[in-house]
Amino acid sequence: GAGVSQSPSNKVTEKGKDVELRCDPISGHTALYWYRQSLGQGLEFLIYFQGNSAPDKSGLPSDRFSAERTGGSVSTLTIQRTQQEDSAVYLCASSLVFPASGSSYEQYFGPGTRLTVT
Amino acid sequence: KQEVTQIPAALSVPEGENLVLNCSFTDSAIYNLQWFRQDPGKGLTSLLLIQSSQREQTSGRLNASLDKSSGRSTLYIAASQPGDSATYLCAAFRGQNFVFGPGTRLSVLP
Repeated sequence: GAGVSQSPSNKVTEKGKDVELRCDPISGHTALYWYRQSLGQGLEFLIYFQGNSAPDKSGLPSDRFSAERTGGSVSTLTIQRTQQEDSAVYLCASSLVFPASGSSYEQYFGPGTRLTVT
Repeated sequence: KQEVTQIPAALSVPEGENLVLNCSFTDSAIYNLQWFRQDPGKGLTSLLLIQSSQREQTSGRLNASLDKSSGRSTLYIAASQPGDSATYLCAAFRGQNFVFGPGTRLSVLP
């Protein structure tokens, strides 16, 4: 497939456990983004990568959240010691390049990972 | 801090009607504005992207306009169809910030 893929599609975990969410961007896309969509709320921007680098991690909700990207491709979002408020759909997107003033880009989204913390 | 709002929150129209969805943003110094649709339980599909230097973009029955000075964008859907039923989101980008609106939930009745 040529689109953004995410795994798992659904994850149910117990409070306090660690979870790892995976995103495979479109081949050749240098920019990658993670978002969170909680029930009844809008999309919350978490973090983006330019290549393997994440210049700004201030969007991550807490220090329990971390993300990495290797080889300029796959990215993982890790949530340690999960809490019930972490329950949400986590969406990943990629774009050919990271946008700048005057540049055109489109973000292509994956189907998301639905995380439920019990 | 950029804030994006969308009006209306929900809209229900009969098939065939033309309709307008509204998006407002507080920081007019945006680089781009993008419209998406989201179907239940699925990710987002990009519809139209408007660069800051552009005033509108068109794709099929969709037309999006951008007025940076007033902090507004509109998505016009012509001759609506039941398959257009979805949540429509706008997103404003500047610097390192992507800010999404809460969405407009559209129902097109056959």
